[in-house]
Order: sequence, then C-alpha cells, then structure tokens
Amino acid sequence: DTEVTQTPKHLVMGMTNKKSLKCEQHMGHRAMYWYKQKAKKPPELMFVYSYEKLSINESVPSRFSPECPNSSLLNLHLHALQPEDSALYLCASSQAGGGAETQYFGPGTRLLVL
Amino acid sequence: EDQVTQSPEALRLQEGESSSLNCSYTVSGLRGLFWYRQDPGKGPEFLFTLYSAGEEKEKERLKATLTKKESFLHITAPKPEDSATYLCAVRGSSASKIIFGSGTRLSIRP
Repeated sequence: DTEVTQTPKHLVMGMTNKKSLKCEQHMGHRAMYWYKQKAKKPPELMFVYSYEKLSINESVPSRFSPECPNSSLLNLHLHALQPEDSALYLCASSQAGGGAETQYFGPGTRLLVL
Repeated sequence: EDQVTQSPEALRLQEGESSSLNCSYTVSGLRGLFWYRQDPGKGPEFLFTLYSAGEEKEKERLKATLTKKESFLHITAPKPEDSATYLCAVRGSSASKIIFGSGTRLSIRP
C-alpha cells in the first residue's frame, strides 16, 4: 500500500481565517513533506520532516506553520493567508529523508484564499 | 547547480502513435531519477525510480530509460487515458531535496 491521504480535498478561506491541512500515511515512512503547486507549474518544496523533526524549511512565510504530531501525521496550519497563496497543497512521504528514496504523494488539498 | 529540463512542453498524439518524452539533467552525483504522472488537480502518481545509467523499467505501455545525461519515457501505442502531465525529478548527492522539471503535457486523441 502506497497511500497518502489528505484532508480536506477543497478549502476556501478568508484572509483572517485560521485553518489546518492534514496528511496521513501508514507505510512506516519516516520522512514527510509539504509542497505547494500552482497551475501548470511543478511542485515547490515547503517543508521536510525527518523522524518527526523539521529538517528543511524553504524560507516559507510564517503564516504557514507545519506540525508533525507523530510519524504518521503531518499538519499544515494556515493563518492570515494572502490570495496568492491559493494553490494545490501536496503532502508526500518517503522511507527516510537522506537519500534517493521515492516520494509518494497524496491527492492534494485545493486551497482558495479570498 | 542541479537542473532538470523536460521536452517537449506539450505533445499531442493520435491513439496508438508511439513517442518519447525527454528529461535532461545536470546534477553532481545522481542519487536517483524519478518519473511521475499527474492528472489535473490531483497529486503526482509515482511511476519509476532509476538509479544508474543503463537502467530500464517498464510498466504497461510505459518504459523509462536512463543515461548519464538524460532519461526517456517511451510510451508505446498510447490510449486516451494516458493523457496527463509527466514530471521528471532528480536527486543529486549534494542536494537536500529533489528537483522537478516543468513537465510534459501529453494529450492522446482517440
């Protein structure tokens, strides 16, 4: 089973709202990732957690706050977003974060910021 | 700096018309090259991982090959359901993340 699940599938929020995106995997993977993808562009890495510790933050604005409660779960807390943050947010996981392990992606959350 | 270039940007084929997608890369010490398929509004679906020059992998109508400078995704007798964007990504030994190409949008006409 190579399934990564994400909730919600769609999210509409105002610029003053606080919301969270959730991601879950049960493959025993120890690295989890958040990506942002704009239309007709490749995914852009935002954060990497390795063994539940934040290992990479690609200079993402503080209005995005990641959290890894345990090895199976990854959250992305959203606050005071801007309309330009509207995008497809993808979660991925891999066995570990240090080599050429294959990343498996979830279906994504389509976010619209009004 | 690691770079990945995919060509063509878009490709339209007739059903049954075989072709190849190209992924050229510049990386210091290739650790792995990845092919994904992505349907509109959905997450990338893993297809293949290649690790060393000369390696080949197949799945249904798709075959991925790897040289020291590029990878090809060969599609044989494609069907309309093969229409998607195909993404190539690489991981180099000095990089902390994978680098994606811009993708090839493949459209198969019935």
